[in-house]
Amino acid sequence: DTAVSQTPKYLVTQMGNDKSIKCEQNLGHDTMYWYKQDSKKFLKIMFSYNNKELIINETVPNRFSPKSPDKAHLNLHINSLELGDSAVYFCASSQGSRRFYGYTFGSGTRLTVV
Amino acid sequence: TQLLEQSPQFLSIQEGENLTVYCNSSSVFSSLQWYRQEPGEGPVLLVTVVTGGEVKKLKRLTFQFGDARKDSSLHITAAQPGDTGLYLCAGVGQAGTALIFGKGTTLSVSS
Repeated sequence: DTAVSQTPKYLVTQMGNDKSIKCEQNLGHDTMYWYKQDSKKFLKIMFSYNNKELIINETVPNRFSPKSPDKAHLNLHINSLELGDSAVYFCASSQGSRRFYGYTFGSGTRLTVV
Repeated sequence: TQLLEQSPQFLSIQEGENLTVYCNSSSVFSSLQWYRQEPGEGPVLLVTVVTGGEVKKLKRLTFQFGDARKDSSLHITAAQPGDTGLYLCAGVGQAGTALIFGKGTTLSVSS
């Protein structure tokens, strides 16, 4: 049973389109995150939610909008996709936001904008 | 902005060799974590170190947190092809925000 699952695994779309990525965790964790991994494998935090509330919103274009309907789900909607949005997006969860909790990551969504 | 610098960026070695990967910062971190990522998968947690000077062992992997909590190292003894992957260090800053990741070390172990 997958702990953090993301769908879809691959997403190829044209510039200007709107797309969503879904994430679900069955670990009972309180905190969920979206990270972006660029072509050089650098992982950068985008958003963090704790118990459905947004607690971190890094410098991300407002075309990106996270939504957390409940603490087990964190979806990412992207409007007006641009070429530079091409990357691998990872969802992750942790038991809390304290320093010693490890993160459990999903297997990623590879987004390609053409 | 707290940054984590990892070195080396790439490492290609033969099976049986030892290696060390370094993770450094000019800032103090309240804890550091190490992850390994394989192609097409998300990072998987290997260890968390929280106390300055702490040493943790995971089979052939030894992790150390610097006394000043600004750096960490990962030492692999007798590397095996199964150790191949991207190794990432990550830290939670003093403000208790989300994990900040280093740029990673890509390790390739050939038999």
